[in-house]
Amino acid sequence: AQSVTQLGSHVSVSEGALVLLRCNYSSSVPPYLFWYVQYPNQGLQLLLKYTSAATLVKGINGFEAEFKKSETSFHLTKPSAHMSDAAEYFCAVSDSNTGNQFYFGTGTSLTVIP
Amino acid sequence: DAGVIQSPRHEVTEMGQEVTLRCKPISGHNSLFWYRQTMMRGLELLIYFNNNVPIDDSGMPEDRFSAKMPNASFSTLKIQPSEPRDSAVYFCASSFNYEQYFGPGTRLTVT
Repeated sequence: AQSVTQLGSHVSVSEGALVLLRCNYSSSVPPYLFWYVQYPNQGLQLLLKYTSAATLVKGINGFEAEFKKSETSFHLTKPSAHMSDAAEYFCAVSDSNTGNQFYFGTGTSLTVIP
Repeated sequence: DAGVIQSPRHEVTEMGQEVTLRCKPISGHNSLFWYRQTMMRGLELLIYFNNNVPIDDSGMPEDRFSAKMPNASFSTLKIQPSEPRDSAVYFCASSFNYEQYFGPGTRLTVT
């Protein structure tokens, strides 16, 4: 069965510091992996996706994620945090067996300290 | 495209009343999902449709909840009768080619 684990429900970083949000997945077949961002009182917005092409995926707002099959991970990073990055981040997994159905992690709340 | 459209954006109702949430997916998308988000339970998948057919409704909490998709451009989620514990943000999302796009959500408050 597919599942996603996001380590750390809350992460705080200083403005300008590296952002690292962790995601580990479980899938019996090659996965499709996604990161979404949710700003307060808004819906989820797709940040980036991995669908079996390049393992390093670049998304919007300077975020990127690397697919590591050996570690079953898809961690999200950004070299320098900005105040506007404060939001909730969700990792999700899908695959060819599940069709368009996604399995979401429990989310990580990112706080950026000025 | 205008994205996924949900209405109303906010709904306040009294316990026992019927509530209908509406969703217009992105044109051309063949899958539609209804989610519920609360602080306690996070993001929960309630039901999803492929080509207007319900595929998995195992997340629907109980018989008070029902969802329909009469055509490719419209879906409803109905709660009858509503209860205070149904208070949450309800999201609709549509999907094509393994990407899901979310609507802005409907914030439901049941008093």
